[in-house]
Amino acid sequence: GEDVEQSLFLSVREGDSSVINCTYTDSSSTYLYWYKQEPGAGLQLLTYIFSNMDMKQDQRLTVLLNKKDKHLSLRIADTQTGDSAIYFCALKAGGGNKLTFGTGTQLKVEL
Amino acid sequence: DTEVTQTPKHLVMGMTNKKSLKCEQHMGHRAMYWYKQKAKKPPELMFVYSYEKLSINESVPSRFSPECPNSSLLNLHLHALQPEDSALYLCASSQEGGVNEQFFGPGTRLTVL
Repeated sequence: GEDVEQSLFLSVREGDSSVINCTYTDSSSTYLYWYKQEPGAGLQLLTYIFSNMDMKQDQRLTVLLNKKDKHLSLRIADTQTGDSAIYFCALKAGGGNKLTFGTGTQLKVEL
Repeated sequence: DTEVTQTPKHLVMGMTNKKSLKCEQHMGHRAMYWYKQKAKKPPELMFVYSYEKLSINESVPSRFSPECPNSSLLNLHLHALQPEDSALYLCASSQEGGVNEQFFGPGTRLTVL
């Protein structure tokens, strides 16, 4: 099956940029997503990118996709304390409904 | 309305109890999902309903029984659970196919004693 890996932990200072990385093994992914989960809450969809795109920008969020290296990243500009959460990448292959989630990265924003 | 609601928020049950988790959405989505999530781990897919029919069962033990009474509602019936079933149970919904943006509810925190 698909392996989707993320680094476990990232710590940044408030106001800096954060970059969260995701690597995957299956090149047949059609859509790739970023979700945010705050403590005790459900998952919030932040953004997604279609597999034929290299980059997508949405306000403070920039998604980069390198299909050759099977690498997805999420950059958060001007990181705030409210951005502290666990971030999951997720991939969808083909036309089905099933998502494969990454292992999750805990982002801690320090003052 | 872009919200998925789940009840109850918390549930404590014994191993001999029968209980149900409920999920509701009014976004007109025709796909609905149950996930199980352990602390600091990614969600694990349990079931998918597509057009009110069970389309995916990820080899979930029979002590978990899903039900989709109509296109807006999804239930998860629980019976004879084990302590290791304690987790956050998340419901999600999406359009069928395409971008498949899944919208998640806040979850039910289940503790099995």
